[in-house]
Amino acid sequence: AQKITQTQPGMFVQEKEAVTLDCTYDTSDQSYGLFWYKQPSSGEMIFLIYQGSYDEQNATEGRYSLNFQKARKSANLVISASQLGDSAMYFCAMRERKQGGKLIFGQGTELSVKP
Amino acid sequence: GAVVSQHPSRVICKSGTSVKIECRSLDFQATTMFWYRQFPKKSLMLMATSNEGSKATYEQGVEKDKFLINHASLTLSTLTVTSAHPEDSSFYICSANFGSYTEAFFGQGTRLTVV
Repeated sequence: AQKITQTQPGMFVQEKEAVTLDCTYDTSDQSYGLFWYKQPSSGEMIFLIYQGSYDEQNATEGRYSLNFQKARKSANLVISASQLGDSAMYFCAMRERKQGGKLIFGQGTELSVKP
Repeated sequence: GAVVSQHPSRVICKSGTSVKIECRSLDFQATTMFWYRQFPKKSLMLMATSNEGSKATYEQGVEKDKFLINHASLTLSTLTVTSAHPEDSSFYICSANFGSYTEAFFGQGTRLTVV
């Protein structure tokens, strides 16, 4: 069964607007972490934001925020004030405590920012 | 900050030969390293978990004799693609943990082309 689901293969957003990238997850572990990574065409994985399952507040890092809805098992990434340099693949990932440190990734969303 | 260095970034090899990819943690001792494979526009698929001083744990469907993993020290893990074939052409990327649950550090990735 797919543990991390990203249902948007591709998204377009106008420069300076906000965009939400969806991510849902499935786990029976009470302790887990959720990550978002950006992958430009170079292939490097750029860490954006982290949310722990016990964190009560939504994580924020600059223009990135994570809309964590635990009951719905969703962890959507919100990018505010999109920039042309935000065009890239975005991956949601989960780490379950009982599975050690490995990350399980979603299918990814390709974001294109239009000028 | 912590840095993971992966080498080489690109490699072209002939069919039937073997190629070694190195993953080094530069600023910390990595108790565990992970190897992922990624096809174009696709997600990262975990291949194996590499623990220092012990045998790697391979994910289901990954041929351990084809993808040899060695984690000889706390700062170095290697992936050797043996008897490479064109279908092994892919992007391989490693990540390392040093105990923090909230972080995962990635190498730059290796683009392997088998001709």
